[in-house]
Amino acid sequence: AQKVTQAQTEISVVEKEDVTLDCVYETRDTTYYLFWYKQPPSGELVFLIRRNSFDEQNEISGRYSWNFQKSTSSFNFTITASQVVDSAVYFCALRLNSGAGSYQLTFGKGTKLSVIP
Amino acid sequence: AAGVIQSPRHLIKEKRETATLKCYPIPRHDTVYWYQQGPGQDPQFLISFYEKMQSDKGSIPDRFSAQQFSDYHSELNMSSLELGDSALYFCASSLGSQWGGTGELFFGEGSRLTVL
Repeated sequence: AQKVTQAQTEISVVEKEDVTLDCVYETRDTTYYLFWYKQPPSGELVFLIRRNSFDEQNEISGRYSWNFQKSTSSFNFTITASQVVDSAVYFCALRLNSGAGSYQLTFGKGTKLSVIP
Repeated sequence: AAGVIQSPRHLIKEKRETATLKCYPIPRHDTVYWYQQGPGQDPQFLISFYEKMQSDKGSIPDRFSAQQFSDYHSELNMSSLELGDSALYFCASSLGSQWGGTGELFFGEGSRLTVL
């Protein structure tokens, strides 16, 4: 069975601090994809990144960076110099291949990030 | 670029009423998914359709049904509504790798259902 664990339920940081959101996953598949989504108070799910299981290179996009380590089944997300606009719930997700044309996602419980001015 | 369109964005119903949510996937996408997100919860997979046929089923209550039509839009029908059905309902679509897609899910902005 597949599972995604985000142990941090809520995190508060002061603006300009760095913050890391943890994500640990479980799967027996050797081929899989991991995702991070941002859900601001307005409710929509905003795609941030996709990483496949064969690519362990870290990725940086502006103030965002991701650290994928298969050895520990982790896919952590770091925001550098946090801003108030980063306040949101962040979801880590694992993609399943479970039938023709179906790529459903299994989400973690989410981490609510509050950035205080 | 066209995105996934969901309607209505907000819906208020009374207990035991029926509600219908609509989803228009990104053109050419062959799979549609429905997710339910309760307050403070993570999105839970309900059901998916591939080329208008049900492809996967998750934790969808028997009171709910869904279908995908010939124009690829999908509808989620919810009957005998309960207070616990109050949630944000997301539709997503994807294009399979056999057609050059990545299988990545693109989400709509969600339909918020409130049951009073």
